[in-house]
Amino acid sequence: GNSVTQMEGPVTLSEEAFLTINCTYTATGYPSLFWYVQYPGEGLQLLLKATKADDKGSNKGFEATYRKETTSFHLEKGSVQVSDSAVYFCALKKRNRDDKIIFGKGTRLHILP
Amino acid sequence: EAGVTQFPSHSVIEKGQTVTLRCDPISGHDNLYWYRRVMGKEIKFLLHFVKESKQDESGMPNNRFLAERTGGTYSTLKVQPAELEDSGVYFCASSRPGRLMNEQFFGPGTRLTVL
Repeated sequence: GNSVTQMEGPVTLSEEAFLTINCTYTATGYPSLFWYVQYPGEGLQLLLKATKADDKGSNKGFEATYRKETTSFHLEKGSVQVSDSAVYFCALKKRNRDDKIIFGKGTRLHILP
Repeated sequence: EAGVTQFPSHSVIEKGQTVTLRCDPISGHDNLYWYRRVMGKEIKFLLHFVKESKQDESGMPNNRFLAERTGGTYSTLKVQPAELEDSGVYFCASSRPGRLMNEQFFGPGTRLTVL
């Protein structure tokens, strides 16, 4: 079946450090891939997305590239800030009438000043 | 424009009791979704409304869960009777009508604790 696997948290980094959160997926066909973020006390927000192989999604300094050959969509940021502390969810959605989003377990990120 | 809202933000009930969660989607969004995150696990799809009709309820765990969307506006999710394993965060999302790849906008969630 379709699934998303992302690295276990929590991840703790110092401000200005480089961030990578790994995500791999299993899916039939060619899904669209997403990263969602949940800041404390808020709902899920779409952070970035990619809809086909080799696409790069980017937003707020975060980037992720759709790698079909490795079925991966790793999230990266060159220099994290305290305000990036949140829970990050990798997700996929299939390209058919099935409208549901399939999420990973989430990775909690703590950034220390 | 207001986002997706959910009520209550937290609910603590005892096993066997009934709880009703409410979701108000963004105005004009025909699609409404319920998801659930059980502690430490992934967020899982429960069901999808298009206006007042259930398009997909394949994720509903059992018949203790009843979702409604009368009039195609807000939706309620009732759990009756609640069990310990129902504890978690229940998210609602909505999206514009039409194309399948319209972004789903999520609410802040309702944290349900069953004691």
